[in-house]
Amino acid sequence: KAGVTQTPRYLIKTRGQQVTLSCSPISGHRSVSWYQQTPGQGLQFLFEYFSETQRNKGNFPGRFSGRQFSNSRSEMNVSTLELGDSALYLCASSLAAGYTDTQYFGPGTRLTVL
Amino acid sequence: TQLLEQSPQFLSIQEGENLTVYCNSSSVFSSLQWYRQEPGEGPVLLVTVVTGGEVKKLKRLTFQFGDARKDSSLHITAAQPGDTGLYLCAGAVIPNAGKSTFGDGTTLTVKP
Repeated sequence: KAGVTQTPRYLIKTRGQQVTLSCSPISGHRSVSWYQQTPGQGLQFLFEYFSETQRNKGNFPGRFSGRQFSNSRSEMNVSTLELGDSALYLCASSLAAGYTDTQYFGPGTRLTVL
Repeated sequence: TQLLEQSPQFLSIQEGENLTVYCNSSSVFSSLQWYRQEPGEGPVLLVTVVTGGEVKKLKRLTFQFGDARKDSSLHITAAQPGDTGLYLCAGAVIPNAGKSTFGDGTTLTVKP
């Protein structure tokens, strides 16, 4: 079974631009979560989607948004990029939504904002 | 306040040595996972522990979940350079909803 895939793997943008990241979960997994990872803050939860609905949201500004499609693929969008948005963005999928369900991570998208 | 505290933050040892890393919290977890992450890649799940007092072994790695389900440890026997990486613990807290909370991780370097 193929793992979680994320595209693109690397991205360079400038301040003020917007960016869209994509995540394809493991086949059969219906829950997708997004995380931001930086050296200073560690892994921070952004949001979780299940059946095309946002179920949970972390403490990030409204510039960070996401959506999930009927095939469970998910996209994350960041508008008006800031230097501090430079990070590794990780997507994780799980079978169902629920706090006991194990998550499987993709390789991440490395975003650099100049 | 960090829900999950991992220690030590950094660990550098020689090949063949043993080590233990810790994951502690004041909260009770319904389950706890350990992941290993290599630079530029996503975390890879090593183990999930669910029952208080549970011990799981994965080759040279031994994972233990505390009796009260508030803490966990990862012990590596005879460490090898291939064990180098960031070790993360993640827990799902009762009764909070949402996905697991992650610790800040332990960066392990095993020198040949």
